[in-house]
Amino acid sequence: EVQLVESGGDLVQPGGSLRLSCAASGFIFSTYWMSWVRQAPGKGLEWVANIRQDGSAKNYVDSVKGRFTISRDNAKNSLYLQMNNLRVEDTAVYYCAGSRSNYQNFDSWGQGTLVTVSS
Amino acid sequence: DIQMTQSPSTLSASIGDRVTITCRASQSISSWLAWYQQKAGKAPKLLIYKASSLESGVPSRFSGSGSGTEFTLTISSLQPDDFATYYCQQYNSYALTFGGGTKVEIK
Repeated sequence: EVQLVESGGDLVQPGGSLRLSCAASGFIFSTYWMSWVRQAPGKGLEWVANIRQDGSAKNYVDSVKGRFTISRDNAKNSLYLQMNNLRVEDTAVYYCAGSRSNYQNFDSWGQGTLVTVSS
Repeated sequence: DIQMTQSPSTLSASIGDRVTITCRASQSISSWLAWYQQKAGKAPKLLIYKASSLESGVPSRFSGSGSGTEFTLTISSLQPDDFATYYCQQYNSYALTFGGGTKVEIK
């Protein structure tokens, strides 16, 4: 069974940093495109970033470019999101999501981790 | 970026009703569209991919259609478990985008 478990969410002040992790199990992690998708309280879904199976390609939504970095460690079956210079508007539940094909629809999701940016 | 517009934003329906949700793209996305169901406090669940392909394990009362810029998700006979929020998502471009969501409520 595919399982994705996020961790690292916390309360952080504006301008602060946080690193999210996602532990994968039950599938061959190195064959999946992986993404981070977020959802602000009471709002809709927003794709944040994705990374190719071998880490050779990364894409970001404009609002996080230059502040967030997605990475992966296939040996550890793990996905990461380094978030710097956090803003109040980054407050959201962050989901780790996977795509078993090279097409970017998300067939696997974690349970989410809450990031709150507030002074 | 490609904008995705869903309608309606809220829908009230009864058990057994046929329900249709529309998603429009700001430019052609061919058939690169997915539909998700999300229940309160839970992660989204993939229902439909490539506009009309049913994800494994999803009940056959769910179906998707469309191509280009206009797409629909249909629930042929609404069941109690189907009250949730539904999102479309395009994956035609590297900047992936979701629709704003449609909440299906009990009438």
